[in-house]
Amino acid sequence: DTEVTQTPKHLVMGMTNKKSLKCEQHMGHRAMYWYKQKAKKPPELMFVYSYEKLSINESVPSRFSPECPNSSLLNLHLHALQPEDSALYLCASSQGFGENTEAFFGQGTRLTVV
Amino acid sequence: SQQGEEDPQALSIQEGENATMNCSYKTSINNLQWYRQNSGRGLVHLILIRSNEREKHSGRLRVTLDTSKKSSSLLITASRAADTASYFCATDAVPYNTDKLIFGTGTRLQVFP
Repeated sequence: DTEVTQTPKHLVMGMTNKKSLKCEQHMGHRAMYWYKQKAKKPPELMFVYSYEKLSINESVPSRFSPECPNSSLLNLHLHALQPEDSALYLCASSQGFGENTEAFFGQGTRLTVV
Repeated sequence: SQQGEEDPQALSIQEGENATMNCSYKTSINNLQWYRQNSGRGLVHLILIRSNEREKHSGRLRVTLDTSKKSSSLLITASRAADTASYFCATDAVPYNTDKLIFGTGTRLQVFP
């Protein structure tokens, strides 16, 4: 199974809502990633988890809160977002640094903040 | 932060022609990868080239890496309409033990039938 599954595929939320994005992989990968992608732009790294621990936070605002409950799951909790946070949110996993292996991506969650 | 810049930003060609995209990056790397993204969907890995390799082939893809110039190129030969997509280079970054994977700015390729 080489799939990374993201749910939901689409999400519309108000600025006062709390919602969560979910990501799951069963490839035994030890590194998991959240990226944000705006239209016609490259994916922008947000967070990296290595061995279920947060290893990189690219100065992401606290209204985005990542969580890694176990080695297969990655969540992104959203609270008090702004309209400019509307974007495609991508989850990925890989075997990690030094392994010279690819990252596998989910199909993304298209988030609209109204 | 962006590690790599790609050119051209956009490329339009006819089916059967070759497409060449270039990527330049800023820091030392362990490997460089190329990914493809169809409109609004997830990224798909195409090929990985290690820092001690200079050229690599996979089907219609040819990748070169010049670490002295901190640059890479992706050549797609005999392009097809189905190759229409955005293409991104991606690099790890020093320090290597952070699992960081950073994408370049991307090239949007349009192949006309």
